[in-house]
Amino acid sequence: KNEVEQSPQNLTAQEGEFITINCSYSVGISALHWLQQHPGGGIVSLFMLSSGKKKHGRLIATINIQEKHSSLHITASHPRDSAVYICAVDNTDKLIFGTGTRLQVFP
Amino acid sequence: GAVVSQHPSRVICKSGTSVKIECRSLDFQATTMFWYRQFPKQSLMLMATSNEGSKATYEQGVEKDKFLINHASLTLSTLTVTSAHPEDSSFYICSARRNTEAFFGQGTRLTVV
Repeated sequence: KNEVEQSPQNLTAQEGEFITINCSYSVGISALHWLQQHPGGGIVSLFMLSSGKKKHGRLIATINIQEKHSSLHITASHPRDSAVYICAVDNTDKLIFGTGTRLQVFP
Repeated sequence: GAVVSQHPSRVICKSGTSVKIECRSLDFQATTMFWYRQFPKQSLMLMATSNEGSKATYEQGVEKDKFLINHASLTLSTLTVTSAHPEDSSFYICSARRNTEAFFGQGTRLTVV
């Protein structure tokens, strides 16, 4: 079993839909990162959080430390949100990555 | 914000040759940088941790003589794939931390023919 599990693996949505991507982990962490990887491969850091909730534009990330679970929400989704979203946890100074969620938003 | 720059973004090389990939932290000093490899539709796998002024720490199963890492300054780490083979074709990406925040390079897609 992977130490970081994401669901769903693939997600398609219609423009405007509310999207949720989930991440569960089984190791102790100091922080959790949500990353976005576009088709060209480059990775952008969206959030780093260790508790509670963070919001940036249409993106919201939450984490429940007791349940070892985090969610990434996208409100009013747009085709430009199409990308792979990766959850990564900080464990003893190393990042452990989930396998990613491939999101496609259609107009 | 902090930026990590990786070069080249794409490279095609012949079997048996060596390829060097550079990773630079543009507006902060990084004593440690990380090199990852990503196969299609898979997650990033840590290859090695690059330490400025000292030897890199390689993950289990990564050949240190195959993947040479040099971290000669606080803003530059290089990964050299030596005697490249087609099975080395992959996406390589570097990362550096400023405090606890992680920043990633744009990645290098290596194709060995």
